[in-house]
Amino acid sequence: EPEVTQTPSHQVTQMGQEVILRCVPISNHLYFYWYRQILGQKVEFLVSFYNNEISEKSEIFDDQFSVERPDGSNFTLKIRSTKLEDSAMYFCASSKEGREQYFGPGTRLTVT
Amino acid sequence: AQSVTQPDIHITVSEGASLELRCNYSYGATPYLFWYVQSPGQGLQLLLKYFSGDTLVQGIKGFEAEFKRSQSSFNLRKPSVHWSDAAEYFCAVGSFYNAGNMLTFGGGTRLMVKP
Repeated sequence: EPEVTQTPSHQVTQMGQEVILRCVPISNHLYFYWYRQILGQKVEFLVSFYNNEISEKSEIFDDQFSVERPDGSNFTLKIRSTKLEDSAMYFCASSKEGREQYFGPGTRLTVT
Repeated sequence: AQSVTQPDIHITVSEGASLELRCNYSYGATPYLFWYVQSPGQGLQLLLKYFSGDTLVQGIKGFEAEFKRSQSSFNLRKPSVHWSDAAEYFCAVGSFYNAGNMLTFGGGTRLMVKP
């Protein structure tokens, strides 16, 4: 069964550094998403991406964040200058028709 | 703004007992509703979904959920719990008014299963 994959599983970075989190969505899906979950808190929506552009973003998704689909298979989330409060589990998800979303295993980002 | 409440943070049941996890939502239109399960170290796995039609929906692993519009609820049930069901369960509501279709999650319910 096809699934969403994410790399790396764990990323440790220093405050102020740039990080890129990578995702490979399910191959015939057209909608892509990033969510995050700070330890002990709810899963929060960050951004959705469709037809090569951002379709919706939350207040969390400020100018420090960007997304890209550099080729036909990858979907990336970049954080330009990480802060301590960016430490969280980041989940990528994809959807074929924009209804049910399928999630990857997550990348745990630790900012020190 | 849409929101989801899962009133029970932790629930412990005995193996073989029945289970009901509560979910209440707030949404201005007909919602799209989901239950996801997260085992330790794993991602979010879709258990079941409700879009329209029959208000009782069946999912994977023997789970079902019932949509009750009058109560703004979408409770998850299983008649007989197995030890492997121990995990965290998340209810979510979808907003699909445009191509954004973000999900809003509840806080989760952690299920423990006693032998």
